[in-house]
Amino acid sequence: GESVGLHLPTLSVQEGDNSIINCAYSNSASDYFIWYKQESGKGPQFIIDIRSNMDKRQGQRVTVLLNKTVKHLSLQIAATQPGDSAVYFCAEIAGGTSYGKLTFGQGTILTVHP
Amino acid sequence: KAGVTQTPRYLIKTRGQQVTLSCSPISGHRSVSWYQQTPGQGLQFLFEYFSETQRNKGNFPGRFSGRQFSNSRSEMNVSTLELGDSALYLCASSSGNTDTQYFGPGTRLTVL
Repeated sequence: GESVGLHLPTLSVQEGDNSIINCAYSNSASDYFIWYKQESGKGPQFIIDIRSNMDKRQGQRVTVLLNKTVKHLSLQIAATQPGDSAVYFCAEIAGGTSYGKLTFGQGTILTVHP
Repeated sequence: KAGVTQTPRYLIKTRGQQVTLSCSPISGHRSVSWYQQTPGQGLQFLFEYFSETQRNKGNFPGRFSGRQFSNSRSEMNVSTLELGDSALYLCASSSGNTDTQYFGPGTRLTVL
């Protein structure tokens, strides 16, 4: 269903700390997951993705973990920087006939303090 | 490679009017998806086009429509605008169904 009046979770960290952003998904048929970062006034920016046949994937300073058993996704950001401050969204897409339809989580506001 | 571009970036319309938004995908991408983003509902899928065909549609009224041209550029149209249509409209392009979608900067629509 759709939520009304979203209240986004927030995460505040100090510069240099590691950040962990969590996301629960509901569709067990989803087989592709993406994390996006959205800064104010901009469109979502791709960070990292993972397919359902994997449980971990690493990028530059970022790691995504996928736990299909409990339908949970997390994004770990190492050595968080002030430029990482943004809203982070997880998104999922199912295979088959879900053509181009990403289903987004509500988002998490990350604030990094210098 | 140039990213996804959207025009116009900002629009102000009044209730009852109609509006057309444009999206140019990344070169070589044939799939274009449209999303509506509002503070209350978050990011919601509108529809997806591939090779000029609408393959998928979200739960929006028929006032929301779109099309795709042979060069993969896409437009979406909203007729009989309502106050609740005020939102950021985002388009994203990808090379296939479950491939990464790359987003444009969005069109901010305000309905007065």
